[in-house]
Amino acid sequence: GAGVSQSPRYKVAKRGQDVALRCDPISGHVSLFWYQQALGQGPEFLTYFQNEAQLDKSGLPSDRFFAERPEGSVSTLKIQRTQQEDSAVYLCASSLAAGVYEQYFGPGTRLTVT
Amino acid sequence: QQQVKQSPQSLIVQKGGISIINCAYENTAFDYFPWYQQFPGKGPALLIAIRPDVSEKKEGRFTISFNKSAKQFSLHIMDSQPGDSATYFCAASSQGGSEKLVFGKGTKLTVNP
Repeated sequence: GAGVSQSPRYKVAKRGQDVALRCDPISGHVSLFWYQQALGQGPEFLTYFQNEAQLDKSGLPSDRFFAERPEGSVSTLKIQRTQQEDSAVYLCASSLAAGVYEQYFGPGTRLTVT
Repeated sequence: QQQVKQSPQSLIVQKGGISIINCAYENTAFDYFPWYQQFPGKGPALLIAIRPDVSEKKEGRFTISFNKSAKQFSLHIMDSQPGDSATYFCAASSQGGSEKLVFGKGTKLTVNP
């Protein structure tokens, strides 16, 4: 595809359910980032992959959040036992390589926890 | 600790006017400063970016001005159009880190026809 794609676009979960959010980066992009955007706020960093290696997970808010990128392409962000405060838009971005700063964002997944 | 401070929170300009959004940063290790444009329901789109070795960069109607000593940078939108109405985010990152972007809180721009 031409850009970063994310699925699902919208997800409603009951509190306590587990969710999995998918990101397909731009083909050939080595670096992949996940951000969380609360309503009316700027995106906040969650985690970073270079190929399949998770090099920075300092932004993950709790151990309920887990991300993986097993083959260095598609990535999944998993949230276990969702809480209401997890409601936000989850954005994925990719960049060509380390040292190439330009990050290109997908449309995001809007998660609502009821 | 807010590492990138953005102002104003909202801005209303008339069609054809100049829109100016300002950002200030604290971390002197930052070496890349992009601006993103976001429409409702969409992801942020990279608009223009600057490195600290230049003081100004222009692309079409969009200009970034950068003041390294003051740790400030700004976005100027010339001849603002109603289609420019969106939320704009400044951001910063450092090659020394994971190149994660640190965003400002955003400016909602409305351009009246």
